[in-house]
Amino acid sequence: DTAVSQTPKYLVTQMGNDKSIKCEQNLGHDTMYWYKQDSKKFLKIMFSYNNKELIINETVPNRFSPKSPDKAHLNLHINSLELGDSAVYFCASSQVYEPRDRVWDGEETQYFGPGTRLLVL
Amino acid sequence: KNEVEQSPQNLTAQEGEFITINCSYSVGISALHWLQQHPGGGIVSLFMLSSGKKKHGRLIATINIQEKHSSLHITASHPRDSAVYICAVIVEGSGGGADGLTFGKGTHLIIQP
Repeated sequence: DTAVSQTPKYLVTQMGNDKSIKCEQNLGHDTMYWYKQDSKKFLKIMFSYNNKELIINETVPNRFSPKSPDKAHLNLHINSLELGDSAVYFCASSQVYEPRDRVWDGEETQYFGPGTRLLVL
Repeated sequence: KNEVEQSPQNLTAQEGEFITINCSYSVGISALHWLQQHPGGGIVSLFMLSSGKKKHGRLIATINIQEKHSSLHITASHPRDSAVYICAVIVEGSGGGADGLTFGKGTHLIIQP
């Protein structure tokens, strides 16, 4: 069984459209993430989310919004798509979310989905 | 200048060679993450460490917090190790959330048979 799955695998769409990418994890993890990998293969984290806190990377436009219908899902909605949104989007999950006031224990592994290749024309 | 620098950017080696990939960073961190991205695009988390050394199979990761430096070593390298290796730091106090995870640009490793 796939631990972290994403759909669709490929998404080609026109500028200005609104689209969603779905992510599901069957690991029972508490925290999920969205990453963007640009054409130069540079990874950037966009969101981290558990049932207590959504943290948004300040560089992410507000056209991007994560939505979590339940603990196992974190979907990514993108409004008014732009050419620069073309990238590979990865979802990931991990067991525990570390509160800001605690030292990271260094033991938590993130499990990544296979990626969604988005092309905006 | 990126807060996380990796070297080398590209590395080609022969099967069996000992490989070292370096990661230096300029911010205070609470932990560091090594990722592997396969040629097909899939990403695997290799290590997360906050001090000392970790070993998994032929992979060894070390970190020196005082020197703000981490290394990833591969012993007895094999063509299947060919991948992009990415270093990411968890900025101190951020708890690993989206406001505190910063990536290096990756090291593209090719192991030739």
